[in-house]
Amino acid sequence: NAGVMQNPRHLVRRRGQEARLRCSPMKGHSHVYWYRQLPEEGLKFMVYLQKENIIDESGMPKERFSAEFPKEGPSILRIQQVVRGDSAAYFCASSLGQGRTYEQYFGPGTRLTVT
Amino acid sequence: SQQGEEDPQALSIQEGENATMNCSYKTSINNLQWYRQNSGRGLVHLILIRSNEREKHSGRLRVTLDTSKKSSSLLITASRAADTASYFCATVNNNNDMRFGAGTRLTVKP
Repeated sequence: NAGVMQNPRHLVRRRGQEARLRCSPMKGHSHVYWYRQLPEEGLKFMVYLQKENIIDESGMPKERFSAEFPKEGPSILRIQQVVRGDSAAYFCASSLGQGRTYEQYFGPGTRLTVT
Repeated sequence: SQQGEEDPQALSIQEGENATMNCSYKTSINNLQWYRQNSGRGLVHLILIRSNEREKHSGRLRVTLDTSKKSSSLLITASRAADTASYFCATVNNNNDMRFGAGTRLTVKP
């Protein structure tokens, strides 16, 4: 049973370009969470999605960031017009049930570097 | 904003010693979770302890929770070099909001 998959593992973008980060949850999981980890800091929650629905986007910047989890295919975190401050590790997690009392399984992360 | 705050920020011990990491938080919680993150990897879930529990064990790991003091501790007994990692606590409140601390970096020297 494959774990949570994220790709790419490393992504380099120039300022102003778009970054697309993909997350495939564990088999059978329909809940996906995105986190951002800045250097030397803990994870910060960004967004919680179920299939075709955004449940909680309270941690996501209102501009340039968007997330989706379509009926088919992986969840996508999209960052438009990237800036240097977007450089971070982005982790996605999936869980079996609703809310966060269910264990979350994390992917290996995507390290975004903005030059 | 960050909820859990781990203490110490960094810990260095010899193989075979015990390692204790603490986590303090400010608001009421539904449960508290501990995660491990090896360098360059994703988080691995270690233990979940619910607000009505006081202690849980898993192998060499022991977690305690004191809701009156709003604190938790993670004890790793008989540490090994492979335990070298960052350890994060995460709190989940009754609105199902999950918040992570900044982590404790544990180094176990062989």
